[in-house]
Amino acid sequence: AQSVSQHNHHVILSEAASLELGCNYSYGGTVNLFWYVQYPGQHLQLLLKYFSGDPLVKGIKGFEAEFIKSKFSFNLRKPSVQWSDTAEYFCAVNARTGGFKTIFGAGTRLFVKA
Amino acid sequence: GAVVSQHPSWVICKSGTSVKIECRSLDFQATTMFWYRQFPKQSLMLMATSNEGSKATYEQGVEKDKFLINHASLTLSTLTVTSAHPEDSSFYICSASEISGESYEQYFGPGTRLTVT
Repeated sequence: AQSVSQHNHHVILSEAASLELGCNYSYGGTVNLFWYVQYPGQHLQLLLKYFSGDPLVKGIKGFEAEFIKSKFSFNLRKPSVQWSDTAEYFCAVNARTGGFKTIFGAGTRLFVKA
Repeated sequence: GAVVSQHPSWVICKSGTSVKIECRSLDFQATTMFWYRQFPKQSLMLMATSNEGSKATYEQGVEKDKFLINHASLTLSTLTVTSAHPEDSSFYICSASEISGESYEQYFGPGTRLTVT
């Protein structure tokens, strides 16, 4: 069965620090990968997605993620975080062979100190 | 991008009553819609997959008689929480999908917060 693991449940950073959130998935076939953000009191927003092609994906708000197939990983990065990046971040995966059901990781709660 | 709406955005109901939540794809046709629930400070958990014109497929542990799903058209799916209890209080989120080859993206609705008193 598909599963998604996010290694960090809570991350606290100071502004301007670099961010890397880990995500590993368990699935043998061709997958589509996503990172979503949920700001306090708001609904999910798509940060970036990977379907195929260049494994380094750039998203909105300066975020990027790298798909490493051999490691089943899709880590999210940002060189310099801002206070406004305080939110919860979810990694997600789906695949045609799984009926395109999107499975979410447990989420990482990021708090950026001003 | 594609827009998915949900109605209502929040609802309070008494224990034992039923509540219907609508999910609409506004500018595209969605052959498949998904229903999730999210408890406070937790991740989204898939409840069921809804395909237009056929019965929904429920995830393990989700009571199909309690959470009735109807996908009557390519732009509308409804979730009815029957005989609601306080433990059903949660944030319910739907998503609708567009499939193109192997590429697939879900568009999420804003969610419906259900409080059962």
